[in-house]
Amino acid sequence: NAGVTQTPKFQVLKTGQSMTLQCAQDMNHEYMSWYRQDPGMGLRLIHYSVGAGITDQGEVPNGYNVSRSTTEDFPLRLLSAAPSQTSVYFCASSSGGLSEKLFFGSGTQLSVL
Amino acid sequence: GENVEQHPSTLSVQEGDSAVIKCTYSDSASNYFPWYKQELGKRPQLIIDIRSNVGEKKDQRIAVTLNKTAKHFSLHITETQPEDSAVYFCAASIGNYGGSQGNLIFGKGTKLSVKP
Repeated sequence: NAGVTQTPKFQVLKTGQSMTLQCAQDMNHEYMSWYRQDPGMGLRLIHYSVGAGITDQGEVPNGYNVSRSTTEDFPLRLLSAAPSQTSVYFCASSSGGLSEKLFFGSGTQLSVL
Repeated sequence: GENVEQHPSTLSVQEGDSAVIKCTYSDSASNYFPWYKQELGKRPQLIIDIRSNVGEKKDQRIAVTLNKTAKHFSLHITETQPEDSAVYFCAASIGNYGGSQGNLIFGKGTKLSVKP
């Protein structure tokens, strides 16, 4: 099992550009989520999903969209990037519930200029 | 909103000493409290967790204690080693906060440095 795979690992965007961060898991986990990690801020929940076709907002959803068409994939879209979205993004999945033993991807370091 | 406070933000100990990291939470309905370790440049990984019906849990050199009345929980690492150096995050499950119920709120992290 590859676990949780995120791409790309690094990305630089200009303000106003759009992009999609990819996340895939091969553990058949129902629950998936996206976090952003900023220095001194811990991990903050952006969006989450409890299964294919079901998504919901977390703590900091503004500026981000998600979809969950399959169990395996949970992409995060930035429609119009802003410098405030410069951060490290982690995708996570779990089998037992939204908070139960999260398996994290390796992260995407995003810089918005 | 719900909140998890974590202290200290940095902690430096000598190899072999013990380290203690403390967290307090605000949601009285929280019932799950995990701890994640993140080494430099790596992903967070679960190291230990505790549920609200248990007061203490141990796994080799690490232990977690929970005081539900006071709404605080702590991570204890004994006989620290250089490889324990990392950022540690506590978290608490959200009990009753609208649509985010069941998700985790994380503390801001503690950078632990173990000096050889």
